[in-house]
Amino acid sequence: GAVVSQHPSRVICKSGTSVKIECRSLDFQATTMFWYRQFPKKSLMLMATSNEGSKATYEQGVEKDKFLINHASLTLSTLTVTSAHPEDSSFYICSARELVAGAFFGQGTRLTVV
Amino acid sequence: KQEVTQIPAALSVPEGENLVLNCSFTDSAIYNLQWFRQDPGKGLTSLLLIQSSQREQTSGRLNASLDKSSGRSTLYIAASQPGDSATYLCAVRGPPGNTPLVFGKGTRLSVIA
Repeated sequence: GAVVSQHPSRVICKSGTSVKIECRSLDFQATTMFWYRQFPKKSLMLMATSNEGSKATYEQGVEKDKFLINHASLTLSTLTVTSAHPEDSSFYICSARELVAGAFFGQGTRLTVV
Repeated sequence: KQEVTQIPAALSVPEGENLVLNCSFTDSAIYNLQWFRQDPGKGLTSLLLIQSSQREQTSGRLNASLDKSSGRSTLYIAASQPGDSATYLCAVRGPPGNTPLVFGKGTRLSVIA
């Protein structure tokens, strides 16, 4: 089946620094990728829709200047958490949609800001 | 606005039992519905995808049904095993098909040996 690779799987960073998370579709092209965030015992919540070659679309309440999304190619989208704070600690997951088989997800990134 | 509800929130069963997980959604105008498995601290694994025109999908011991008009889906797991212990998430996608998934909060399943 289709594979989506997300890196890193875990990251610990100091408050105020920036962290970049990569999401790659390994064996298919994804014009659209989605970024989700999941707090403990909560459902996955969509943060933004990443469109190749254009600006991302952010959900209400998600700061676009804090969560920078770049979708530079049909197989790569990146999420950069800028000036991270402890409240940004969460589980971030990307997904890419394969036309027939549906949505495939990365392994997720556990971000801890200390 | 689409809302997805999963019942029960948690379930504990002895090994070998058959079980049913429920998912309901408020807007029946969906493109497809997908069931996922999430292990603690891990990403999502897609289990079954049901297109809006389909009634059910089967994979191994798993069977998912879809009743779009009533806004419901069930995931049936036959002969449960300890390795089935995980959180099971239901998600729907609205038309035209390239929209993001809306997730339920999941059902946390524990299968006891």
